[in-house]
Amino acid sequence: QQQVKQSPQSLIVQKGGISIINCAYENTAFDYFPWYQQFPGKGPALLIAIRPDVSEKKEGRFTISFNKSAKQFSLHIMDSQPGDSATYFCAATSTDKLIFGTGTRLQVFP
Amino acid sequence: KAGVTQTPRYLIKTRGQQVTLSCSPISGHRSVSWYQQTPGQGLQFLFEYFSETQRNKGNFPGRFSGRQFSNSRSEMNVSTLELGDSALYLCASSLGSSRFSGNTIYFGEGSWLTVV
Repeated sequence: QQQVKQSPQSLIVQKGGISIINCAYENTAFDYFPWYQQFPGKGPALLIAIRPDVSEKKEGRFTISFNKSAKQFSLHIMDSQPGDSATYFCAATSTDKLIFGTGTRLQVFP
Repeated sequence: KAGVTQTPRYLIKTRGQQVTLSCSPISGHRSVSWYQQTPGQGLQFLFEYFSETQRNKGNFPGRFSGRQFSNSRSEMNVSTLELGDSALYLCASSLGSSRFSGNTIYFGEGSWLTVV
């Protein structure tokens, strides 16, 4: 019940394409869903986050779509760029829990 | 503003030894949390400290321990090291007023531990 399932494990996209990463959770106590971006040799950095009372949040080329009834949320990267190549982690948090997805390695080719 | 600083960045230890890792949070941040990152298990939460008290704990054995000092700096210790403890250990800090929910946590670059 504490898991956050993330897919795909790896993703190859051409420059200008759309990258989509999906996550699913089970615990309805989760109330905050951040996405982190991690470059090699660096710690994860917060990219964008959403609360379950909102179905979509957009920041620049990054959009989170949230489906509360299905307990699923996804990250969409529009106009993907080579500089977006990194590992992306979704996460789900409650007051006392922070569970990460298993990560998606995104590679954007020119 | 300086980010989260972790030391040492790289270290090699022998099985059975112990190790202490250090973390300096962003100035003004009172919450420090620790994570283990491995290719097989991904990112796993170890524990979180707020105002020198352990507030949350993940599912790790008692060999993993930590503490926080009055200046919010934190250390984690792993005793009786095993080969499986080889990982990137990440520290993160946040203002921490409401535990995890809604808190932006800022990660350091991590300490790479290799156990041989």
